[in-house]
Amino acid sequence: SQTIHQWPATLVQPVGSPLSLECTVEGTSNPNLYWYRQAAGRGLQLLFYSVGIGQISSEVPQNLSASRPQDRQFILSSKKLLLSDSGFYLCAWILDGTEAFFGQGTRLTVV
Amino acid sequence: AQSVTQLDSQVPVFEEAPVELRCNYSSSVSVYLFWYVQYPNQGLQLLLKYLSGSTLVKGINGFEAEFNKSQTSFHLRKPSVHISDTAEYFCAVSSMDSSYKLIFGSGTRLLVRP
Repeated sequence: SQTIHQWPATLVQPVGSPLSLECTVEGTSNPNLYWYRQAAGRGLQLLFYSVGIGQISSEVPQNLSASRPQDRQFILSSKKLLLSDSGFYLCAWILDGTEAFFGQGTRLTVV
Repeated sequence: AQSVTQLDSQVPVFEEAPVELRCNYSSSVSVYLFWYVQYPNQGLQLLLKYLSGSTLVKGINGFEAEFNKSQTSFHLRKPSVHISDTAEYFCAVSSMDSSYKLIFGSGTRLLVRP
């Protein structure tokens, strides 16, 4: 079956610290993968997407980066977190544009 | 590029009253359309989607939406809301190109009052 795993569920990090959020999928190969962020009281903003290994497209220039080291792994990173990086981060796998599977999300608080 | 506009940031309504949450989109290519619900401190749950065919789409929990291509709208409706429908509702579009990006609106908070 198709599943998507995202961890950790919650994270509290100090300003200036690094970040690494991981997302993995099961039950498919060569999935289209996406990272979204939801700031407090806001909608979901598409940050990055990847249509294959090593292929990353950035939607919004910012303090974050993404990588896809393996077919079913998508990582969101930052070298130095800012307060404005706080929010709810969601990984998604979108199947042919017709169906989306979402991870459980990571609530990041930068202090 | 696609964009989605949800015209109302918050919609207060009394229990058992009807409700309509508005969504308009723009796109240079054909799109699929979705409505998602997010309950407090939870992830996203799909309410319904329009891929093709009948423009009236029925979803879970008694919700329905109508695709209007000429007005580029996909409004969500429910004839009688319950307290448990209080949540954030997101309209989204995905492009029919190889990126399949799913673009969300800013959300509408539905507040159902007794």
